[in-house]
Amino acid sequence: DQQVKQNSPSLSVQEGRISILNCDYTNSMFDYFLWYKKYPAEGPTFLISISSIKDKNEDGRFTVFLNKSAKHLSLHIVPSQPGDSAVYFCAASWNSGGYQKVTFGIGTKLQVIP
Amino acid sequence: DTGVSQNPRHKITKRGQNVTFRCDPISEHNRLYWYRQTLGQGPEFLTYFQNEAQLEKSRLLSDRFSAERPKGSFSTLEIQRTEQGDSAMYLCASSHRDFNSPLHFGNGTRLTVT
Repeated sequence: DQQVKQNSPSLSVQEGRISILNCDYTNSMFDYFLWYKKYPAEGPTFLISISSIKDKNEDGRFTVFLNKSAKHLSLHIVPSQPGDSAVYFCAASWNSGGYQKVTFGIGTKLQVIP
Repeated sequence: DTGVSQNPRHKITKRGQNVTFRCDPISEHNRLYWYRQTLGQGPEFLTYFQNEAQLEKSRLLSDRFSAERPKGSFSTLEIQRTEQGDSAMYLCASSHRDFNSPLHFGNGTRLTVT
């Protein structure tokens, strides 16, 4: 039962253009959403997050948008840089017994072409 | 902040052998998680510790798996009687006590069962 879905396994974007990574979720209990970036042979690294009470959060070149009615979130990277090439995991969490239980999608591999 | 440290980075073992992995979280983090990642999948939750107490275990964690966190510091994950299906990347993460504090992952231990 995949509660967090990333339907695009890969994405290629030219350097300098916008990268848009999408994520859908099914569990209405999720109240916090995160994006992680993963390089080969490394663990995932936290990138940006958004609370369910907001619809947008921005941090430098990275912006996350949340559409609760559609149960959809997206990560925008502008402008894209070759160093952004990595696997991006969408994650969602909810309060489970006093801690935030985090569920991950399967990831989208982004390639930024110089 | 030296980050989350995991040892060993790689482990190759024969089916039926026992293996043990170690995780040293970020020192001020009281929450510790174990995740497993297989090829083409996102990290899957295995278990969660708050200080030394193991508060949740996934149904993925069969009785061959045991995790400990003595004194609320480092943690170990042991797999007994390994099977080929146990081959995966085992990721440890820690987080601060603040709610919605993001997970900080180590670089993982890659287990290969032959």
